[in-house]
Amino acid sequence: GIQVEQSPPDLILQEGANSTLRCNFSDSVNNLQWFHQNPWGQLINLFYIPSGTKQNGRLSATTVATERYSLLYISSSQTTDSGVYFCAVSNGNNRLAFGKGNQVVVIP
Amino acid sequence: DTAVSQTPKYLVTQMGNDKSIKCEQNLGHDTMYWYKQDSKKFLKIMFSYNNKELIINETVPNRFSPKSPDKAHLNLHINSLELGDSAVYFCASSQDFRTSIGEADTQYFGPGTRLTVL
Repeated sequence: GIQVEQSPPDLILQEGANSTLRCNFSDSVNNLQWFHQNPWGQLINLFYIPSGTKQNGRLSATTVATERYSLLYISSSQTTDSGVYFCAVSNGNNRLAFGKGNQVVVIP
Repeated sequence: DTAVSQTPKYLVTQMGNDKSIKCEQNLGHDTMYWYKQDSKKFLKIMFSYNNKELIINETVPNRFSPKSPDKAHLNLHINSLELGDSAVYFCASSQDFRTSIGEADTQYFGPGTRLTVL
């Protein structure tokens, strides 16, 4: 099956800092989603982005499908951004394959 | 209004018991999924149903049996629970399972059910 690798696995940020999370995948995809799992365990859908660039407030994402990677940018980080960020991809039947996540801790 | 809901939120039970987790979505979606998140937070798909029909059945022990009474509900029944079944189980839904048709395949997740087998 399709392989998904996320980096860095762990990240500690000072409040107000910017960061970039990366997702590499091993095959062409037709669905790519970024999720935030907050400290209470809820999986929040951030972006549906199999290609192109999207922005939502302080978050933005870019997927370069031909080079098989996606980036999630967090700007002016806040403590509420803490949690695990997951990249998930599918190349058939919407069977999402998840990466291992980026654990982000934002300290005040 | 909750889009994808699951009950119960927590489930603690003894080995060997049979238990069910229920999922409901009010988004009008046709496709629903079950995922398992293990203790290392790794998420893996288990099943998918489209309009009450099974379309994905990953390599899951046959002690796990999904049931979809209608397209808004997908329940998960687990027989003869084992210690290794302890995990968080997430239900999700999407408008469709066919991809490359825009955002109709975006999946939305429920709050999860934390199952602990003692």
